[in-house]
Amino acid sequence: EAGVVQSPRYKIIEKKQPVAFWCNPISGHNTLYWYLQNLGQGPELLIRYENEEAVDDSQLPKDRFSAERLKGVDSTLKIQPAELGDSAVYLCASSLDRHNEQFFGPGTRLTVL
Amino acid sequence: ILNVEQSPQSLHVQEGDSTNFTCSFPSSNFYALHWYRWETAKSPEALFVMTLNGDEKKKGQISATLNTKEGYSYLYIKGSQPEDSATYLCAFLRSNDYKLSFGAGTTVTVRA
Repeated sequence: EAGVVQSPRYKIIEKKQPVAFWCNPISGHNTLYWYLQNLGQGPELLIRYENEEAVDDSQLPKDRFSAERLKGVDSTLKIQPAELGDSAVYLCASSLDRHNEQFFGPGTRLTVL
Repeated sequence: ILNVEQSPQSLHVQEGDSTNFTCSFPSSNFYALHWYRWETAKSPEALFVMTLNGDEKKKGQISATLNTKEGYSYLYIKGSQPEDSATYLCAFLRSNDYKLSFGAGTTVTVRA
């Protein structure tokens, strides 16, 4: 069974440019998560979807970040415009529901110059 | 922001030696405690999901205990091998909103 797929794996952009990350969760997983991981820290939740509904986006900086999960499957996370401080690893994860273990993708390492 | 603390931040172990490290978390609104292993260049992988006070779980030479009343969990590695080198993350799942909050991790390096 395929795991959580993310693309791209690496992205280098200049500040003020837009960037988008894509995630395909494990088939049948209702809950999808986007995390931000800075060096030396644990992942921090940006947004959690249950099916197509964003049920927790309290940590998402809404002035520049947006996300969508069309049809409750794939999801896209966008940053526009990117800032230097956005350089980090962006992880996508999915789970059967909000109670269960999470399965993580390989992450996208973003570098903003 | 929940305080999920892990210690030590890093440790070095000789191959064959055993080791353990700690995760502390809030003792209120507890739903579950997750442990994940994150090897370099790979995805984080779930080791254990623990829900009951006094729980003990084992997977190969790795085991974990849980004390929800005092808010801590221990992860043990018996007879460490180089392939056990990874960052071990614990995460606290809160019962009121099911938000998973991670600690910063303990990075284990096993020397051959």
